[in-house]
Amino acid sequence: GESVGLHLPTLSVQEGDNSIINCAYSNSASDYFIWYKQESGKGPQFIIDIRSNMDKRQGQRVTVLLNKTVKHLSLQIAATQPGDSAVYFCAERNQAGTALIFGKGTTLSVSS
Amino acid sequence: EAQVTQNPRYLITVTGKKLTVTCSQNMNHEYMSWYRQDPGLGLRQIYYSMNVEVTDKGDVPEGYKVSRKEKRNFPLILESPSPNQTSLYFCASSFGQGDYEQYFGPGTRLTVT
Repeated sequence: GESVGLHLPTLSVQEGDNSIINCAYSNSASDYFIWYKQESGKGPQFIIDIRSNMDKRQGQRVTVLLNKTVKHLSLQIAATQPGDSAVYFCAERNQAGTALIFGKGTTLSVSS
Repeated sequence: EAQVTQNPRYLITVTGKKLTVTCSQNMNHEYMSWYRQDPGLGLRQIYYSMNVEVTDKGDVPEGYKVSRKEKRNFPLILESPSPNQTSLYFCASSFGQGDYEQYFGPGTRLTVT
């Protein structure tokens, strides 16, 4: 079946550090992945996506890495800021392409 | 401003009293979807719509109905709410299904007593 999970429910870092949030997925046929950020009281917000034909994709201060061999996805945030404090979800497109399957989320706390 | 709006944002109701949560998007998106978010379970899809008059069940459709009469609106209907439908609900939209970025609304916190 399809399931997406995150390795750690919480992550605490100091301002300025680099953060790495990990995610494992179970469906080896998955071909599209997204990272979302959810701040308290708000809906999920798109951060970055990656297709399975790529290993790495970079955005502004964020990098997503995809390791298809071990079915692992990670989100790297450079120079983490207090405004990055939120819950981060990885998600994969389901096989029918009709929905995103979300992991349970990692809460990132950034202290200054 | 491009956005997905939901109303109401908060609702407390009683078991069995029909309710509708509205969702509207101003981006001319074809695809719309409803999710519920519960602690420890993450976001799960309830229903989705690929275009006007085209809707289908997601992973947890029991107890819910939807309609898509206009492209911009996708209301979620609970005909007879029960306490297990107490949850945080999100509407989302995108240009198409699959690998298009989904835009989420701000959420509706529903409590059924």
